[in-house]
Amino acid sequence: AQSVTQPDIHITVSEGASLELRCNYSYGATPYLFWYVQSPGQGLQLLLKYFSGDTLVQGIKGFEAEFKRSQSSFNLRKPSVHWSDAAEYFCAVGTGGYQKVTFGTGTKLQVIP
Amino acid sequence: DGGITQSPKYLFRKEGQNVTLSCEQNLNHDAMYWYRQDPGQGLRLIYYSQIVNDFQKGDIAEGYSVSREKKESFPLTVTSAQKNPTAFYLCASRQGGRTDTQYFGPGTRLTVL
Repeated sequence: AQSVTQPDIHITVSEGASLELRCNYSYGATPYLFWYVQSPGQGLQLLLKYFSGDTLVQGIKGFEAEFKRSQSSFNLRKPSVHWSDAAEYFCAVGTGGYQKVTFGTGTKLQVIP
Repeated sequence: DGGITQSPKYLFRKEGQNVTLSCEQNLNHDAMYWYRQDPGQGLRLIYYSQIVNDFQKGDIAEGYSVSREKKESFPLTVTSAQKNPTAFYLCASRQGGRTDTQYFGPGTRLTVL
């Protein structure tokens, strides 16, 4: 069975600083990987996804993520954080087929002025 | 506007009562999903449906029931058998192809008093 680990429960960064959110997955085959963002009391919005091809994936809102098979990682990055990026971020791994998607426990991002 | 709607946004019920959460999509997606979200636990799959009149249990189906009589609708009933029903419930849908992405509704917060 697949699993996802987001080791950082909470991260605080200053506005304008760079950001990296960590995600490690466990899955025997080539995974389908996702990053979603959730504002309080809202649904999840897809930031980006990786299925195959280029291991550096560009997403919305200036986010990118890099798939590293050797490290089983799919870390999310942004070069300069804005106050509006404060939210909870979820990494997820899918298996294709009916696409059972397993979510990590999330990382809450706080942005300070 | 195309999208997924969930109603109501907030729901309060007395212990021992059954309650039904609505999920409707006008994206013409084949597959639909119900997740439960609790603080610090990420999203856990309750039920999913790949086609009309067919659905399967997810990881935490006990105490829940669903139906899929129409392609656009996938209501979730939280029964009195669910021991701890207070949570945030998210509905999602997906086109159905191997690499398609899940899109989420805005969620329903259920509080059992």
